[in-house]
Amino acid sequence: KAGVTQTPRYLIKTRGQQVTLSCSPISGHRSVSWYQQTPGQGLQFLFEYFSETQRNKGNFPGRFSGRQFSNSRSEMNVSTLELGDSALYLCASSPGGLAGGPTPPETQYFGPGTRLLVL
Amino acid sequence: AQKVTQAQTEISVVEKEDVTLDCVYETRDTTYYLFWYKQPPSGELVFLIRRNSFDEQNEISGRYSWNFQKSTSSFNFTITASQVVDSAVYFCALSEKKSGGYQKVTFGIGTKLQVIP
Repeated sequence: KAGVTQTPRYLIKTRGQQVTLSCSPISGHRSVSWYQQTPGQGLQFLFEYFSETQRNKGNFPGRFSGRQFSNSRSEMNVSTLELGDSALYLCASSPGGLAGGPTPPETQYFGPGTRLLVL
Repeated sequence: AQKVTQAQTEISVVEKEDVTLDCVYETRDTTYYLFWYKQPPSGELVFLIRRNSFDEQNEISGRYSWNFQKSTSSFNFTITASQVVDSAVYFCALSEKKSGGYQKVTFGIGTKLQVIP
């Protein structure tokens, strides 16, 4: 099976701009989670999508948003970029289980990440 | 509260030495999973192992071994005869199942391992 893919791999933007990152999960996986990784804060959970619905959300401002399509591909959008948004953005996929069902914790498989630099 | 502590931020060892990466976790749940991931300089987190809270058996995979002790809430990772290719950042993570079907995953801050030839 192909792994998790993320595009683009590298991105340079300026403050105030917006950016959209894309993630394609492993085939058959329906859950996609997004993380922000910075040297000072480590891996911070942004949100999780399952069956086109946001199922879980971390503590990030509303400038960070996402969506998931019917083929489970997900996009993450950051509007009005700030210098502090410079980070590695990682996407992870997992099977996802059944919505609302007794799903045990699952292994998340990560993509290569998108390195975003905000100038 | 869910918490993962990796007290060692950076470790340097000489090639062929053994090294242990520590991971201590906190959780109120009785059912949870623990993970180790490796992040090489390329950035991608590579899954190494998953352990559920009911399985305290230690595991060995080649030069890698894991020691899970619920009594001390620890899930330590040992690399035997380290190699330069082991140089990476290693993350320990804790996952709990929450109502609504989603899981809450908390990562440690990571331990940067440098293996010197």
